[in-house]
Amino acid sequence: KQEVTQIPAALSVPEGENLVLNCSFTDSAIYNLQWFRQDPGKGLTSLLLIQSSQREQTSGRLNASLDKSSGRSTLYIAASQPGDSATYLCAVRLMGWDNYGQNFVFGPGTRLSVLP
Amino acid sequence: ETGVTQSPTHLIKTRGQQVTLRCSSQSGHNTVSWYQQALGQGPQFIFQYYREEENGRGNFPPRFSGLQFPNYSSELNVNALELDDSALYLCASSPGPNSNQPQHFGDGTRLSIL
Repeated sequence: KQEVTQIPAALSVPEGENLVLNCSFTDSAIYNLQWFRQDPGKGLTSLLLIQSSQREQTSGRLNASLDKSSGRSTLYIAASQPGDSATYLCAVRLMGWDNYGQNFVFGPGTRLSVLP
Repeated sequence: ETGVTQSPTHLIKTRGQQVTLRCSSQSGHNTVSWYQQALGQGPQFIFQYYREEENGRGNFPPRFSGLQFPNYSSELNVNALELDDSALYLCASSPGPNSNQPQHFGDGTRLSIL
């Protein structure tokens, strides 16, 4: 069964710092990996999607990397701002459906607080 | 391009009642997936609909059921509500069931069971 974990569970940093969020998955047979942002009580906003054949994707101050063989992805946020405060989730799309009826599996998220 | 919209935004029910949640998929998307997100956890996959048929199902009991309509909008129905059903219910759409394009999510329906 595909398991997705995220470390740390929570992170608090001062404004301006660069930071890295980690995502790990147990089965490397994935189609792609997607990073999301979720504000409290809200839905998910897609940030970056990395196909299994890619190593990284960039959007503005965000850079996501993927090492499929080791089952890891990182989300790098440069020059953090208070507006970046949110929960960040990663999710993997499996190749087909697993025996548990899953084809898109989320991690539990990292709750980020950027202090002014 | 219209995004994914969900209704209602909030709902309060009591144990044993039934509820219907609605989702309109993004324009051009024929696949809709539903997720349950308990407080402090990642979303858990409930089921997926593709061209009006259930295409996949996670580990949820049969009292969770759904529909997809010809315009690709979808409903999630939950019967015999239990306290543990209190959660944020998210709908996501994509261009196909095995699409390599990102899933797009709505803002969710917050369901509270008293």
